[in-house]
Amino acid sequence: GDSVTQMEGPVTLSEEAFLTINCTYTATGYPSLFWYVQYPGEGLQLLLKATKADDKGSNKGFEATYRKETTSFHLEKGSVQVSDSAVYFCALGRINKFYFGSGTKLNVKP
Amino acid sequence: EAGVTQSPTHLIKTRGQQATLRCSPISGHTSVYWYQQALGLGLQFLLWYDEGEERNRGNFPPRFSGRQFPNYSSELNVNALELEDSALYLCASSHPGQGISPLHFGNGTRLTVT
Repeated sequence: GDSVTQMEGPVTLSEEAFLTINCTYTATGYPSLFWYVQYPGEGLQLLLKATKADDKGSNKGFEATYRKETTSFHLEKGSVQVSDSAVYFCALGRINKFYFGSGTKLNVKP
Repeated sequence: EAGVTQSPTHLIKTRGQQATLRCSPISGHTSVYWYQQALGLGLQFLLWYDEGEERNRGNFPPRFSGRQFPNYSSELNVNALELEDSALYLCASSHPGQGISPLHFGNGTRLTVT
């Protein structure tokens, strides 16, 4: 069945460091892939999405590329800020079904 | 456009009581999903409603139930509360259009059972 696996956290980085959060998926066919971000005390916000192989989703300096050959959708940012500290969730979506990873907490230190 | 709204923000109940949580989806969204997020853990799927009908439920006991109203708002009821029901309950809505529409989440209701 469908599933999503993402790297365990927490990930601790210094401000302006490069970020990678790994996400791999198991699925048949062509699901859509998403990254969500959850700030303390809030719900999940859609960060970016990709709907087909080789699509690159991007938003607020974050990027992720839908890699069908490696079944991956790794989240990257070239230079993180303290304000990026949050929990990041990778998700796989089909029509009316969604599968979420367990979340990766990111701590960015000044 | 107003986002998904949930009420109340916080709810404190005693073990054995009942809790009712409410959700208003984004205008035009007909599907509502409920998730439980226990402290430090990921999201656990609870229920999915669409066009007023329960379409799918996760691996939760029957004391977790809900409904969707004609205006697409939704209510989650938890009966016979247990301590382990303490969690953040998140509601999400999605657009019924073609293809895979992303979920849009509210800020959740923090339920504490004492």
